[in-house]
Amino acid sequence: GNSVTQMEGPVTLSEEAFLTINCTYTATGYPSLFWYVQYPGEGLQLLLKATKADDKGSNKGFEATYRKETTSFHLEKGSVQVSDSAVYFCALSNAATGGGADGLTFGKGTHLIIQP
Amino acid sequence: EAQVTQNPRYLITVTGKKLTVTCSQNMNHEYMSWYRQDPGLGLRQIYYSMNVEVTDKGDVPEGYKVSRKEKRNFPLILESPSPNQTSLYFCASSPYSFSNQPQHFGDGTRLSIL
Repeated sequence: GNSVTQMEGPVTLSEEAFLTINCTYTATGYPSLFWYVQYPGEGLQLLLKATKADDKGSNKGFEATYRKETTSFHLEKGSVQVSDSAVYFCALSNAATGGGADGLTFGKGTHLIIQP
Repeated sequence: EAQVTQNPRYLITVTGKKLTVTCSQNMNHEYMSWYRQDPGLGLRQIYYSMNVEVTDKGDVPEGYKVSRKEKRNFPLILESPSPNQTSLYFCASSPYSFSNQPQHFGDGTRLSIL
């Protein structure tokens, strides 16, 4: 079946630092890839997505590029803020992969802490 | 406002006492799904529904039931809850099944089974 691997953390950075959260996946076919963010006490919110190879998703200063050759979808931000502190989940859509039930396969989540 | 609403948000109960967690969406989405979130395991899919009266198992369906009698509602039923079902549960919906559309999540239901 499909799987997603990401660093779990916690990842602690100072404000204005550069952020990279690595995400790699295993899937057949052509899954869509997503980053979701979960703030304390809340549900998951879509942060960005990419639906095909070489697509770049971007939102709120975050970016991730769908790299099929390395099966990766790393999340980056040039200058993080305290308000970015949250748990970040990398996920892939099982649709069109034949690798699982219809739905999303998630990584375990990365807890990001930004210190002032 | 487009949203997925879960109730209750928090519940503490005892082993064996049947419970239902409700989920409702107001976006006319065809697809709905339940996930559980556990530390170190991320989110895992329990059940999903592609449309009214169409449901199927996800990765961890044991001990759970679902129904989809109306398009907007997708309740999660624990007939005889056990402590290993203590978890944070999320309902999600998206416009279509077998699609690459992002899913919209509810705010979660924290269940504690004693």
